Amino acid sequence: DADVTQTPRNRITKTGKRIMLECSQTKGHDRMYWYRQDPGLGLRLIYYSFDVKDINKGEISDGYSVSRQAQAKFSLSLESAIPNQTALYFCATSDRDRHYEQYFGPGTRLTVT
Amino acid sequence: LAKTTQPISMDSYEGQEVNITCSHNNIATNDYITWYQQFPSQGPRFIIQGYKTKVTNEVASLFIPADRKSSTLSLPRVSLSDTAVYYCLVGDRYGGATNKLIFGTGTLLAVQP
Repeated sequence: DADVTQTPRNRITKTGKRIMLECSQTKGHDRMYWYRQDPGLGLRLIYYSFDVKDINKGEISDGYSVSRQAQAKFSLSLESAIPNQTALYFCATSDRDRHYEQYFGPGTRLTVT
Repeated sequence: LAKTTQPISMDSYEGQEVNITCSHNNIATNDYITWYQQFPSQGPRFIIQGYKTKVTNEVASLFIPADRKSSTLSLPRVSLSDTAVYYCLVGDRYGGATNKLIFGTGTLLAVQP
């Protein structure tokens, strides 16, 4: 969905490096989410934000941090990347009144060597 | 969030109607049922959401019995392009217990010519 963009789309990095994934949305939604997906598995929630001042941990937040710079921007950081963080990362947004009607970005494929 | 159970995979042929059932025995009074479609290396796409009885849109229908312990996603006259993974989510429409949100592994629908 072009309304939700993610950068970069692909990234290869080395173990121990800090990396930031960025997400922007033009849908005007208050809520934003970061998920990761491993091959053959469903999506797992890393962090979510209900508004600029409200950030919450999801199921698998260890090793990650986030920043909600504005309503439209939500960044995910890997403080010290490790190989098992190799995955496909998705950002999503939703309106507060339709929480589970989420709109996903195209994803970032991250490889940690 | 209510735990959901779906078949791991289903096969169909072009032109047939496909019904994918999701079990959610411990659904709560305020929970809604939401279905997503995901193609390989793309973010999930919202298909349909419902609370009870029947909901229909231009893509699919969602049937929910009176006890709401299951739901069925119905795809009319599938084509090869409907080959994808389909996820069933059950949760509070306004986001209660979001930290426990899990997409699960979904149902892989394979449509044959």
